[in-house]
Amino acid sequence: GENVEQHPSTLSVQEGDSAVIKCTYSDSASNYFPWYKQELGKRPQLIIDIRSNVGEKKDQRIAVTLNKTAKHFSLHITETQPEDSAVYFCAATAVQGAQKLVFGQGTRLTINP
Amino acid sequence: GAVVSQHPSWVICKSGTSVKIECRSLDFQATTMFWYRQFPKQSLMLMATSNEGSKATYEQGVEKDKFLINHASLTLSTLTVTSAHPEDSSFYICSAWESPNEKLFFGSGTQLSVL
Repeated sequence: GENVEQHPSTLSVQEGDSAVIKCTYSDSASNYFPWYKQELGKRPQLIIDIRSNVGEKKDQRIAVTLNKTAKHFSLHITETQPEDSAVYFCAATAVQGAQKLVFGQGTRLTINP
Repeated sequence: GAVVSQHPSWVICKSGTSVKIECRSLDFQATTMFWYRQFPKQSLMLMATSNEGSKATYEQGVEKDKFLINHASLTLSTLTVTSAHPEDSSFYICSAWESPNEKLFFGSGTQLSVL
C-alpha cells in the first residue's frame, strides 16, 4: 500500500524566513496531495493541495511543488509569522481515484520571533 | 471550506461503558467519511472508512466489534466505542470527503478519557 514519509520531524525558523517541509510517497498512482495544519488540540485544517496534473500551486505565502518522477512533494512557507507555528501533515491518496488519504508523520514547525 | 461538526468535544467515562461520537457534514453530503485516532504528538491513524448505506471498512488491526461505525445518512456517521477501557483513551477525529471539490475536511475531534 501507499507509504508517505515526511521530513523533518521538527523545524525551527526565524520569523520572516522561509520554511520547507518535504514528503515522499511510494504509490506512483497517487493523484492528490493535500497539506494540513494542526494547532494543539484542534482539527487538521486544509491549507493547500495539489493534483498530479499540476507541478506547482501557490496561495499567498504558501506554495506546494510536486515532482511525480521522483515521487515527492514539498510545502513552502515564505515570510513566516508566529501564527504559522503548528504541526503540518502531508498526505497522498492511497489508490488512484480513491478518497482514502495516507498521512505523513508530521512536522512541528516553530517560528521564533 | 466545508464544515464538519463532531460531538462531543470531550468525554470522560468509566471502564466498561460505551461511548458514541457523532460526525456531521453540515453544508454538504458525504457518502464517505473516515475515522482517525491520534495519540499525543503523533500522526493521524486511519481506523475505518464509513460508507453511507453499507458496512464500514476497517483498517488492519482495528477491532470492528469494539469500534462500531454507522453511516445511516449522507450527513451523519457515528463511532461507538464499546466496553471502553483505559487504553482506548485517545483523540478521535472524523473527516468527510466533499464532492465535487474532492477535498477532505475534518471534524473538531473528541478527546476520550476512560477511567
